[in-house]
Amino acid sequence: KAGVTQTPRYLIKTRGQQVTLSCSPISGHRSVSWYQQTPGQGLQFLFEYFSETQRNKGNFPGRFSGRQFSNSRSEMNVSTLELGDSALYLCASSLGTSGTIQEQYFGPGTRLTVT
Amino acid sequence: AQSVAQPEDQVKVAEGNPLTVKCTYSVSGNPYLFWYVQYPNRGLQFLLKYITGDNLVKGSYGFEAEFNKSQTSFHLKKPSALVSDSALYFCAVYTGKLIFGQGTTLQVKP
Repeated sequence: KAGVTQTPRYLIKTRGQQVTLSCSPISGHRSVSWYQQTPGQGLQFLFEYFSETQRNKGNFPGRFSGRQFSNSRSEMNVSTLELGDSALYLCASSLGTSGTIQEQYFGPGTRLTVT
Repeated sequence: AQSVAQPEDQVKVAEGNPLTVKCTYSVSGNPYLFWYVQYPNRGLQFLLKYITGDNLVKGSYGFEAEFNKSQTSFHLKKPSALVSDSALYFCAVYTGKLIFGQGTTLQVKP
């Protein structure tokens, strides 16, 4: 089975621009979560989508948004980029079945650099 | 607030020796605990999880973890370390989302 894929792998943007990152989950997985990883703050949860609905949200400003499509693929968007948004953005997928605790499988990440 | 702590930024062991990477947690209710490993320029790989049942959980690559409710700990262990185990290890608790510890860098010397 193919793993979680993320595109692009590397991205350089300028302050004030916006960016869209894409994630394709493992086939059959309906839950997609996004995380931000930085040296200072570590790994922080952004949001989770299940069946095209946001199921959970972390403590990030409204500039960070996401969506999920009917095929479970997900995108996250960051508007009005700030220098502090430079990070590795990780996507993770799981079956998402309600009532069970399942492990999440992570993609390789998108390295975003804001200049 | 729910949280996870990894008290050691770095752990160094010699190849062939046992290794332990420490994790303590603070949650209300039942803890659902995970260990992940991250190699350079890679995403996280799932190692093992504790949901309920036996306190000793076995996972991938020969790793295991011991859940201790009284000490609120979930330490990762391996009987014999390999150089290839050198990586960044994260403990996490699931509360509807994964809350990660700050990570522990494991260095295994030949």
